Amino acid sequence: EAQVTQNPRYLITVTGKKLTVTCSQNMNHEYMSWYRQDPGLGLRQIYYSMNVEVTDKGDVPEGYKVSRKEKRNFPLILESPSPNQTSLYFCASSSLLQGNEQFFGPGTRLTVL
Amino acid sequence: RKEVEQDPGPFNVPEGATVAFNCTYSNSASQSFFWYRQDCRKEPKLLMSVYSSGNEDGRFTAQLNRASQYISLLIRDSKLSDSATYLCVVTSNTGFQKLVFGTGTRLLVSP
Repeated sequence: EAQVTQNPRYLITVTGKKLTVTCSQNMNHEYMSWYRQDPGLGLRQIYYSMNVEVTDKGDVPEGYKVSRKEKRNFPLILESPSPNQTSLYFCASSSLLQGNEQFFGPGTRLTVL
Repeated sequence: RKEVEQDPGPFNVPEGATVAFNCTYSNSASQSFFWYRQDCRKEPKLLMSVYSSGNEDGRFTAQLNRASQYISLLIRDSKLSDSATYLCVVTSNTGFQKLVFGTGTRLLVSP
């Protein structure tokens, strides 16, 4: 089954404790991205990757890091989480060959205390 | 001004009603347009792409007006299962695959 998976789905952590949210897709998509969704602000792009070893900042990259060592994986790293990073996070992948439809993972609800 | 603007709603309609949402975008260079559907606490899913000539998929019709920079979504014969948030999405001028999402319009269909 074609899908994007994220882990963990739910996470409560404390300020400053490094964490990683994993994202993996099995559709051989070249493009992957991370979004956060907050009430009244909609989905905002954090980082994106056009292909392996190619990443770039989105609209709200502060406090986040990413890597793309393999085509299928695109982890999101919070080196020192803060309460303002409490949000719902979505990973997505797409391919120009498939009309640019973005396929989203199920989301990760993160709470930073 | 937001790059993509939508009325947040909620739109409360009875089953069987016809409802329309509009969305305006500010980037005249946008090339691709979409409507996504998002159920509560779930991931967004593509509902339909929006083409210049307008397009229809069952009860759903999407229209694009480039001159006025807005897109619309019409839902006929609303079902209870249509209750969701509808996200207007356009491509950014920074890249074909970068999408800009509106904040969504909430639809509630009641019996």
